[in-house]
Amino acid sequence: EDQVTQSPEALRLQEGESSSLNCSYTVSGLRGLFWYRQDPGKGPEFLFTLYSAGEEKEKERLKATLTKKESFLHITAPKPEDSATYLCAVPRHSGTYKYIFGTGTRLKVLA
Amino acid sequence: GAVVSQHPSWVICKSGTSVKIECRSLDFQATTMFWYRQFPKQSLMLMATSNEGSKATYEQGVEKDKFLINHASLTLSTLTVTSAHPEDSSFYICSARGGQAINQPQHFGDGTRLSIL
Repeated sequence: EDQVTQSPEALRLQEGESSSLNCSYTVSGLRGLFWYRQDPGKGPEFLFTLYSAGEEKEKERLKATLTKKESFLHITAPKPEDSATYLCAVPRHSGTYKYIFGTGTRLKVLA
Repeated sequence: GAVVSQHPSWVICKSGTSVKIECRSLDFQATTMFWYRQFPKQSLMLMATSNEGSKATYEQGVEKDKFLINHASLTLSTLTVTSAHPEDSSFYICSARGGQAINQPQHFGDGTRLSIL
């Protein structure tokens, strides 16, 4: 069964304390992995698409990497404004490629 | 680019009322749109998938007659919650995807907070 698991469920960091979020997946033939950021009361905001193992993408303090079994979202020197829930998703093998979402990591960065 | 607008952002209404939520892709054509429901501190739960000009495909357990979806154009989909009751209170989010390629990301609206009294 296709599955996406994120860890940790919640993470508290001091400002400037770098860390990584994990997204593990089991799907039959990965066709891309997507990272999103969701602020409270808002819809998810698209961050990255990763297509193949070894690929890396960066945006400001965020860097996403992909292996054959998992993806990491590295946060370097985070700031309080990076506090949010980070979601990863992979598309199912179907005509509409609907997402399988992970349960998310709630990140809190303290000043 | 890839902006999805969702309206209204917040609705409070009485039990038995029908509520319509609009989802628009502002700067791209959305071949597929998705409707989700999200409970507090939980991930998104897919309700239905719609393609322009065709009937929506509902996920198991989602009542088609309760949640009416119309995707009349490549930029607009609507979700109507019919005869809403307090248990329908939730955060509803739409997303849109342009193109047919599997690696096209979904872009999300900012959600609609629905409260039924």
